[in-house]
Amino acid sequence: GENVEQHPSTLSVQEGDSAVIKCTYSDSASNYFPWYKQELGKGPQLIIDIRSNVGEKKDQRIAVTLNKTAKHFSLHITETQPEDSAVYFCAAKDGTGANNLFFGTGTRLTVIP
Amino acid sequence: GAVVSQHPSWVICKSGTSVKIECRSLDFQATTMFWYRQFPKQSLMLMATSNEGSKATYEQGVEKDKFLINHASLTLSTLTVTSAHPEDSSFYICSASPALAGYNEQFFGPGTRLTVL
Repeated sequence: GENVEQHPSTLSVQEGDSAVIKCTYSDSASNYFPWYKQELGKGPQLIIDIRSNVGEKKDQRIAVTLNKTAKHFSLHITETQPEDSAVYFCAAKDGTGANNLFFGTGTRLTVIP
Repeated sequence: GAVVSQHPSWVICKSGTSVKIECRSLDFQATTMFWYRQFPKQSLMLMATSNEGSKATYEQGVEKDKFLINHASLTLSTLTVTSAHPEDSSFYICSASPALAGYNEQFFGPGTRLTVL
C-alpha cells in the first residue's frame, strides 16, 4: 500500500517569512495529492491539491509542487501570518481506484508575530 | 458548497455503552464516505470506507463488529461504536466524496470527540 512521509514534524517561522513542508510517497500509481490544514479540535480543511499531470499549482500565498520522478511534493506558504498556525497534513490517493487517501504524519506550523 | 456535518460534536459515555455518530453531506450527494480516527497529536487513520447501499470495507486491524457502519443514503453515513471502552476514546472524523466519476476530493466533517469513562 501507499506510504506517505512528511517533514518536518514542527516548524516555526517569523511572520512574513515563508514555510515549506515536504512529503514523499511510495506508490508510483498515486495520482492525486491534497494538502489539509487542521486547527485544534476541528476537521481537516482542504487548502490546495495537485494532480499527477501537473507540476505546480498556486493559489494566492499557497503553492504546491510535485516531482513525479522523485515521488515527492511540497507545500509552500509565503508571507506567513499568525492565522496560518495550524497542523498541516499532506496526503496521496492510492492507485487502486478505491479513492482512499493516505496521510502524512502532519506538520505543526507556528507563525511567530 | 461541499459541506459535511457530524453529530454530535462531542460525546461522553460510560464503558460498555454504544455510541452512534452521524455524518451528513449537506449540499451534495456522496457515493463514498470515509471514517477516520485520530489520536492526540497523530495523523488520521482510515478505519473504513462505505459506499451507499453496500457493506463497508474495513481497514486491517479495525473490528467490523465493534465499529458498525451504515451508509443508507447518498447523504448520510453512521458509525456506531458498540460496547465502547476507554481505549476507544478518540477524535472520529468522516469525509465524503461527491458522486462524480473520477472525482478525487474528500471533504471532511468537523469531527466527533468521543470520551469513554
